[in-house]
Amino acid sequence: DVKVTQSSRYLVKRTGEKVFLECVQDMDHENMFWYRQDPGLGLRLIYFSYDVKMKEKGDIPEGYSVSREKKERFSLILESASTNQTSMYLCASSLAGRHSPLHFGNGTRLTVT
Amino acid sequence: GENVEQHPSTLSVQEGDSAVIKCTYSDSASNYFPWYKQELGKGPQLIIDIRSNVGEKKDQRIAVTLNKTAKHFSLHITETQPEDSAVYFCAASGDGGSQGNLIFGKGTKLSVKP
Repeated sequence: DVKVTQSSRYLVKRTGEKVFLECVQDMDHENMFWYRQDPGLGLRLIYFSYDVKMKEKGDIPEGYSVSREKKERFSLILESASTNQTSMYLCASSLAGRHSPLHFGNGTRLTVT
Repeated sequence: GENVEQHPSTLSVQEGDSAVIKCTYSDSASNYFPWYKQELGKGPQLIIDIRSNVGEKKDQRIAVTLNKTAKHFSLHITETQPEDSAVYFCAASGDGGSQGNLIFGKGTKLSVKP
């Protein structure tokens, strides 16, 4: 069965900390994505990657960076966490090609205090 | 760029009734419209999708309709069951070289009361 695993279900960090959110997929998918989910705002794309070491900005990349050193792993980095980055973060992957279904992880609830 | 509006934001129905969720999009070049279902504590999961060369698609109790002229598409769930309770997201995208141009609606929380 297709699986996208996010390393933490809940995470609490302090303002100014560097935060790493990890995501691993076991489906040999080319594409990987990081979304942010907030009530009333839906799903917003932060960054995506269509190949190892490749990355593209999404709609809200400010304050975030990403790393993809291996095909199966895509990391989201908050260089200096701020309270407005408190949110649910969803990782997803898909096959290459247009309109391939996204497979989502179960999310990481990050709280920045 | 593309903008997707989704209504209603919340929907409550009795078990066995039908539920309809509507979305409009702004970019006439969009040609792919998936629907995702997110159950509590889980990530969204694709339940049905439709491409612009098709007006309607059905999968058991779920159907999606597309009106390209009016730029709107709808999700129809018949004979609703408690397990249909979830948040539903519509989305739209064009033929961009990657999937980074998939734009989601803000979601509809569907509650099915037994």
